[in-house]
Amino acid sequence: KAGVTQTPRYLIKTRGQQVTLSCSPISGHRSVSWYQQTPGQGLQFLFEYFSETQRNKGNFPGRFSGRQFSNSRSEMNVSTLELGDSALYLCASSLATGTSAYNEQFFGPGTRLTVL
Amino acid sequence: AQKVTQAQTEISVVEKEDVTLDCVYETRDTTYYLFWYKQPPSGELVFLIRRNSFDEQNEISGRYSWNFQKSTSSFNFTITASQVVDSAVYFCALSEATGNQFYFGTGTSLTVIP
Repeated sequence: KAGVTQTPRYLIKTRGQQVTLSCSPISGHRSVSWYQQTPGQGLQFLFEYFSETQRNKGNFPGRFSGRQFSNSRSEMNVSTLELGDSALYLCASSLATGTSAYNEQFFGPGTRLTVL
Repeated sequence: AQKVTQAQTEISVVEKEDVTLDCVYETRDTTYYLFWYKQPPSGELVFLIRRNSFDEQNEISGRYSWNFQKSTSSFNFTITASQVVDSAVYFCALSEATGNQFYFGTGTSLTVIP
């Protein structure tokens, strides 16, 4: 079974630009979560989608948004990029149907975003 | 407030030594789940274990063991006879039955020196 895939793996952008990251979950997984990982901060939760609906959102500004498609693939978008947005963005999928609490999350390799 | 605390930022041990990674969590839910993940240098997080709040039995899997103590809100991870391949960042995480979010600690970077 293919794992979680994320594209692109690396991105270099400049301040003020916008970026879209893509995530394809494991087949059969309908829950997709996004995290931002920076040194010293660990993994910061961005949002979680299930069946095309955002169920939960972390404490990030409105410049960070996401969506999920009917095939469970998900995208996240960051507008008006800032230097502090440089990070590894991780996507995770799980089998969760109702609450996501029980099911372990399977992570993709991440997208390394560098903002210059 | 931080729901998961991993106070050890970095640990270095010599190969074959035992090492314990600490994890302290905070929740008001009576039903919750605790997880450990490993992030090797390649970057992809790997699931290691899940425990639910009603099962305080310790678990052993090969060289890995986990000690879950509700009384101290801790879920510690021990690697016995460490190996160089154990070098990675280890994350502890909490999810609450009432929510749809995982709370991760800031991770412990383990270096095993040959």
